[in-house]
Amino acid sequence: QSVLTQPPSVSAAPRQKVTISCSGSSSNIGSNYVSWYQQLPGAAPKLLIYDNNKRPSGIPDRFSGSKSGTSATLGITGLQTGDEADYYCGAWDGSLSARHWVFGGGTKLTVV
Amino acid sequence: QITLKESGPTLVKPTQTLTLTCTFSGFSLSTTGVGVGWIRQPPGKALEWLGIIYWDDDKRYSPSLKSRLTITKDTSKNQVVLTMDNMDPVDTGTYYCAHRDTTMIFGYWGQGTLVSVSS
Repeated sequence: QSVLTQPPSVSAAPRQKVTISCSGSSSNIGSNYVSWYQQLPGAAPKLLIYDNNKRPSGIPDRFSGSKSGTSATLGITGLQTGDEADYYCGAWDGSLSARHWVFGGGTKLTVV
Repeated sequence: QITLKESGPTLVKPTQTLTLTCTFSGFSLSTTGVGVGWIRQPPGKALEWLGIIYWDDDKRYSPSLKSRLTITKDTSKNQVVLTMDNMDPVDTGTYYCAHRDTTMIFGYWGQGTLVSVSS
């Protein structure tokens, strides 16, 4: 059972938009930045979003992030078959002396 | 260009200690704000954070695994070492190391190394 809760799967058609939610608590999302990672089949994870809504260099603006309270959302527009992957949210959790990173359980995106 | 690569045994026996090395380039672990973390992923399952070591030798561990983990660094060799005691078959999975700086957490990842625990 992951500390951050994500839907196990989402699906949408090519060129459509999809959102993936990540629900946490006041000790993690509620008081820290959220990051999102994309893991293509057989590959290492890749950072998509950091600090809730910032994109690393090279990440297209089709990917966006937002946060409200203790929840965060990843949005993907103009879906492509190449976006089929597992998506994970992550955030710091706990007090300063016991700070640790937590991941969500992952969401499998299917583009059908 | 930042790169990281994990290395170590592919098979360990139950109760043994696992030692993995992350060898990196393109950054220094003596630079303020920099850290290297370890993350693992059982086959077909979610990512699990194990721990992180910072430029100042501060270390943080997963609360559930803290008693079994040790992370050390050798700045001169650009390496970070993870040891995990008392390995069990449930520890089977791909182990990744990843870079952290003051802006991005785990912005760069190694390719991962698959570790199987079996007698």
